[in-house]
Amino acid sequence: DAKTTQPNSMESNEEEPVHLPCNHSTISGTDYIHWYRQLPSQGPEYVIHGLTSNVNNRMASLAIAEDRKSSTLILHRATLRDAAVYYCILRDLVTQGGSEKLVFGKGTKLTVNP
Amino acid sequence: DTAVSQTPKYLVTQMGNDKSIKCEQNLGHDTMYWYKQDSKKFLKIMFSYNNKELIINETVPNRFSPKSPDKAHLNLHINSLELGDSAVYFCASSQSGVAKNIQYFGAGTRLSVL
Repeated sequence: DAKTTQPNSMESNEEEPVHLPCNHSTISGTDYIHWYRQLPSQGPEYVIHGLTSNVNNRMASLAIAEDRKSSTLILHRATLRDAAVYYCILRDLVTQGGSEKLVFGKGTKLTVNP
Repeated sequence: DTAVSQTPKYLVTQMGNDKSIKCEQNLGHDTMYWYKQDSKKFLKIMFSYNNKELIINETVPNRFSPKSPDKAHLNLHINSLELGDSAVYFCASSQSGVAKNIQYFGAGTRLSVL
């Protein structure tokens, strides 16, 4: 599995934008970039994913570098509820027998200050 | 309605006992997973089932036996529990054949082996 590198932790103030970086220099052409987050005492939840173009949804935006070797998850206005561990994960388009495992790294622990 | 539900939420037991964790999903997905999150917070895949067929088995000890009676259920039975089995176990589900292949996680079962 291709690997990703993220900072261990980041801090933000409430209602300010947050940019969470992820490096994936060994990404292959068929890898999607997925982001999940894990709120305290909960299971991981899907945030957003993309392949080449920048993506927006109600939770966040994903900015993907032109060479695809890095990406940034953008929370436009952080709230206290966004405090979580954010995981950047590469997923191959080609499934194996109909299921794919998620390979979690250490992720970035985001602290949001009131 | 909870999409992926696990029971019990907490499980405290003695070494050597046998225990089961149940998981049910009401999303109509055909693939289910078990992940383990250890004390260092690393999340790792254990098993995945697609249409009741075992697809992924990540070198988990034989004491762990998943059982999928139907597509909506994936239970985890653990024999002869050991101290090292203490962890949070997450069940997840997804639909194969879909480009997004988002995995939906349960809230986790915190297992403490004394």
